[in-house]
Amino acid sequence: DSGVTQTPKHLITATGQRVTLRCSPRSGDLSVYWYQQSLDQGLQFLIQYYNGEERAKGNILERFSAQQFPDLHSELNLSSLELGDSALYFCASSVGGHQETQYFGPGTRLLVL
Amino acid sequence: DAKTTQPNSMESNEEEPVHLPCNHSTISGTDYIHWYRQLPSQGPEYVIHGLTSNVNNRMASLAIAEDRKSSTLILHRATLRDAAVYYCILTVIQGAQKLVFGQGTRLTINP
Repeated sequence: DSGVTQTPKHLITATGQRVTLRCSPRSGDLSVYWYQQSLDQGLQFLIQYYNGEERAKGNILERFSAQQFPDLHSELNLSSLELGDSALYFCASSVGGHQETQYFGPGTRLLVL
Repeated sequence: DAKTTQPNSMESNEEEPVHLPCNHSTISGTDYIHWYRQLPSQGPEYVIHGLTSNVNNRMASLAIAEDRKSSTLILHRATLRDAAVYYCILTVIQGAQKLVFGQGTRLTINP
């Protein structure tokens, strides 16, 4: 158990819909990272937040957005969903933002029908 | 992002050592070498990391070539639980700490 929790574990929705994935980092960790894992693209970095502020952006679509709240939990919002958004979404956390181990949650499996 | 090259798959037997290679010929002086693994149906898990010197921890050892253009993750006594995809990743010392995952090496352990 990494100490990172993600909810929900599974999500099934339809094209065009909007969903919110939630992540609670390990106690004391200030950084949260979001990754997407699909069969054709592998594991890809989406976005990083550090202590409530966006720190880095990766291959995140404009339809996707994220935020980190004062209690340090984070949410990833996916809107106008397409079939290709079906994937595993992982959240990771680390103490700070530099050269530290990232601890990954169990992931949320999203299926868009 | 500096690129790493790993074999797609490797196979070993239980209780034998496993050497997982990684080439990173374009590594810069400020790049750290990280290894993560992903067991089936789980999120990635940190294994080990290093900069220049060899490193040991309870999970594995990391041997880094003198020119730093390659490294080897060593599992001293593989168990069935070590069957996973192993990723070798470079991160820069400054800036965002995103992990850039390649295809990794799928390790199969035979009983």
